[in-house]
Amino acid sequence: EVQLVESGGGLVQPGGSLTLSCAASGFTFSSYWMHWVRQVPGKGLAWVSRINPDGSTTTYADSVKGRFSISRDNAKNTLFLQMNSLRAEDTAVYYCVRSLLGKDDYWGQGTLVPVSS
Amino acid sequence: QSVLTQPPSASGTPGQRVTIYCSGSSSNIGKNNVCWYQQLPGTAPKLLVYGNNQRPAGVPDRFSGSKSGTSASLAISGLRSEDEGEYFCAVWDDSQSGVVFGGGTQLTVL
Repeated sequence: EVQLVESGGGLVQPGGSLTLSCAASGFTFSSYWMHWVRQVPGKGLAWVSRINPDGSTTTYADSVKGRFSISRDNAKNTLFLQMNSLRAEDTAVYYCVRSLLGKDDYWGQGTLVPVSS
Repeated sequence: QSVLTQPPSASGTPGQRVTIYCSGSSSNIGKNNVCWYQQLPGTAPKLLVYGNNQRPAGVPDRFSGSKSGTSASLAISGLRSEDEGEYFCAVWDDSQSGVVFGGGTQLTVL
């Protein structure tokens, strides 16, 4: 059974940093593009970042470019999102997603990151 | 404001057919394949349609997608109470070099 389990969310002050993790199981993690997508509670979805299967190519939304960094450890089947210089507008539920927009698209349950003083 | 435009709400009675529309541009829907997601209350989004009109395994054929030019649509036939939730369209945008989503359509089954 495919599983994506996000962790690392929690309250952080503006200007602070946080690292999210996504533990993958039930599939060959190293074969898939992985993405982070966020959702302000009660609002729409926003794509954050993606990384290719071997970790050599990354892409970011303009809203997080220069502040967030996506990475992966294929030996440990884990995806990461390092978030720096956090702002109130980064407050959201962050989802780890396998193969976004493809037939193997699969979402984790998300982790909440409130940014507030 | 979302790059893709969806109506904020839609409704229908059990058994009816409802269509949700998604409007984009030449840099997204006009060039790339559209996906549709269903998000039930308190859960993560789930893929309903990919490649404009393909259904993943397990998705009932009551759900069907189509695309024409820079617009796409999701039709739900034989509406059921369990279909109540939010529906999002999504596509790769060549201008933004990223995935863009519609603002979502809240479907109510009356």
